[in-house]
Amino acid sequence: AQSVTQLDSQVPVFEEAPVELRCNYSSSVSVYLFWYVQYPNQGLQLLLKYLSGSTLVESINGFEAEFNKSQTSFHLRKPSVHISDTAEYFCAVSLRDYKLSFGAGTTVTVRA
Amino acid sequence: NAGVMQNPRHLVRRRGQEARLRCSPMKGHSHVYWYRQLPEEGLKFMVYLQKENIIDESGMPKERFSAEFPKEGPSILRIQQVVRGDSAAYFCASSPRGTQDNEQFFGPGTRLTVL
Repeated sequence: AQSVTQLDSQVPVFEEAPVELRCNYSSSVSVYLFWYVQYPNQGLQLLLKYLSGSTLVESINGFEAEFNKSQTSFHLRKPSVHISDTAEYFCAVSLRDYKLSFGAGTTVTVRA
Repeated sequence: NAGVMQNPRHLVRRRGQEARLRCSPMKGHSHVYWYRQLPEEGLKFMVYLQKENIIDESGMPKERFSAEFPKEGPSILRIQQVVRGDSAAYFCASSPRGTQDNEQFFGPGTRLTVL
């Protein structure tokens, strides 16, 4: 069975500073990888996903994540955060089927 | 186009009572997934349903839990004789198709508290 570990539960960061959210997974077979974001009182929204091809994937709002097979990681980065990026971020993995396994989440708090 | 709707958002039950959680998928979506998030843990898959069919319930506890997605109306996750360990956030997701790389759209969740 696969599992996901998000190494930081809370990440405070100042506005316009860079942020990195770490995600490691364990699986003996090939996986699909996802990052979801949850804003207060809303559902989880897909931020970006890795299925195949280029190991660097980007979202429309400036986030990027890199799939590193040797380190079994899928860290999320943004070079300059905004107040509106305050949210909870979830890393997820699937064994190339519909069952998503999620990490416990990382709460990002952006301060002015 | 409204997103995935879940109600109630918060539900309090005493031990031994029944809990009914509702999920209305996005318009045009016929695939529904339920996940549970226990405190300090990630979301865990429970069950996958299509209209009138349970496709995969491998993540459902063997007793007290059931799910349905009738031809008309929302999907229902039912927990009978709740215990304190059932306290969690329950999330519903939907997709237009059931393929493995198909994005799942999530609702805001129902927070169940068992006293």
